[in-house]
Amino acid sequence: KQEVTQIPAALSVPEGENLVLNCSFTDSAIYNLQWFRQDPGKGLTSLLLIQSSQREQTSGRLNASLDKSSGRSTLYIAASQPGDSATYLCAVRRAPGTYKYIFGTGTRLKVLA
Amino acid sequence: DTEVTQTPKHLVMGMTNKKSLKCEQHMGHRAMYWYKQKAKKPPELMFVYSYEKLSINESVPSRFSPECPNSSLLNLHLHALQPEDSALYLCASSQDGWTFFGQGTRLTVV
Repeated sequence: KQEVTQIPAALSVPEGENLVLNCSFTDSAIYNLQWFRQDPGKGLTSLLLIQSSQREQTSGRLNASLDKSSGRSTLYIAASQPGDSATYLCAVRRAPGTYKYIFGTGTRLKVLA
Repeated sequence: DTEVTQTPKHLVMGMTNKKSLKCEQHMGHRAMYWYKQKAKKPPELMFVYSYEKLSINESVPSRFSPECPNSSLLNLHLHALQPEDSALYLCASSQDGWTFFGQGTRLTVV
C-alpha cells in the first residue's frame, strides 16, 4: 500500500530564504507526482507536475525534483516571500489508467516578513 | 478558462435535510472528482467519474450520492448526514495528469 509522507510537518522561515520541502513515498512504481499549495480554507492549486520519466520541473521560483528509485521528491522554493505562506502537499499517482492520487501529509509553511 | 466552480461556498444543514453540492468546469476534462477534507488533513478521495461514468467509489456511505449529468457538471447529493460529515468538500477535474481543484464547499452538519 502506497504511503506518502512529508517532512517537516511545519516550517517557519524569514523572508528571502531558500527552502526545501520533502516528500517520500513507499512504492516507487508511480506514474506521476504533483505538488500543490493550499491556502487556509481554500482549494488546492497545482504547482508542478513531474512524470515518472522526468527528473525535475521548474516554474518561476519553484523547482521540483523526482528520484523514483529512492522514493523521494523535493520542492525547492527560492527567495521565499510572505505570499508563499500556505500548506504544500505532494500527491502520487500509480498508473495512467487509474485516477487515484495518494496525498502526502502536507507541510505548513510560514514565511515571516 | 482554467476554473472549477463550486457552489455553495458555505452550507449549514440539519441531520434530516437534503441538500446538493454543485461543481462545474468548462475545460473539457473527462475525469471529475469529489474529495473530503478535514482540518489539517490531506484530501480523501470519495468518488471519481470518468467520461460521465462512476469509476471509483471509495466505500463512501450511501448518504452521499454523486451524479454526473453531463461532461461539465458534477453534483453531490446529501441526505441524513451526521455531524462528523462536517468538512470541506472539494471538487476537481483532470486532464493529462494536471488536476484543477475548486475552492470547496465548507459543510457544517448540525
